[in-house]
Amino acid sequence: DAGVIQSPRHEVTEMGQEVTLRCKPISGHDYLFWYRQTMMRGLELLIYFNNNVPIDDSGMPEDRFSAKMPNASFSTLKIQPSEPRDSAVYFCASRLQGNTEAFFGQGTRLTVV
Amino acid sequence: AQTVTQSQPEMSVQEAETVTLSCTYDTSESDYYLFWYKQPPSRQMILVIRQEAYKQQNATENRFSVNFQKAAKSFSLKISDSQLGDAAMYFCAYRSRGNTPLVFGKGTRLSVIA
Repeated sequence: DAGVIQSPRHEVTEMGQEVTLRCKPISGHDYLFWYRQTMMRGLELLIYFNNNVPIDDSGMPEDRFSAKMPNASFSTLKIQPSEPRDSAVYFCASRLQGNTEAFFGQGTRLTVV
Repeated sequence: AQTVTQSQPEMSVQEAETVTLSCTYDTSESDYYLFWYKQPPSRQMILVIRQEAYKQQNATENRFSVNFQKAAKSFSLKISDSQLGDAAMYFCAYRSRGNTPLVFGKGTRLSVIA
């Protein structure tokens, strides 16, 4: 398996624009997590899914953030409208129920100017 | 809610020497997992070592070992014979026994001096 695949690797956008981050989890994994990494706050959980259903979205900072998982092999994190303070690295991770280890994608570095 | 604290924002070690990174956590649960992840400049999150709370024996993976003190809620990482490739951010993480997400500390940046 190619591991967790995130796209794009880097995204630069202007304030106010819509941004969509994408994630393909490892095949067969039934848990998917979105994290945000910043210098000030470290790695924060935004939302996670189990079998494509959102379980906990309490970490989503504002209504500008939304996440979907339309099927077992794809998830998106959307920010609309984007703001400079959204600049961060966004990670997607997946895990198989019953396993201890979560596998991370390479992350998307988002810069909002 | 569980919290993870890494009190050392930065550490440095001479090549071939040993370094210990500290981590403490707060939980009311008795069964859980603890992890150390390495994040090199490539950004990739790499699992270094894991520990199940019900196991008294400290986990070891080659040059990496942990000192797990359950009563003190402490989980330190020891890196022996440090190598230049060990330079990275190291994150301590906690997960409950159930199917819950990882909770991370803020990380320790390790520099290795040749």
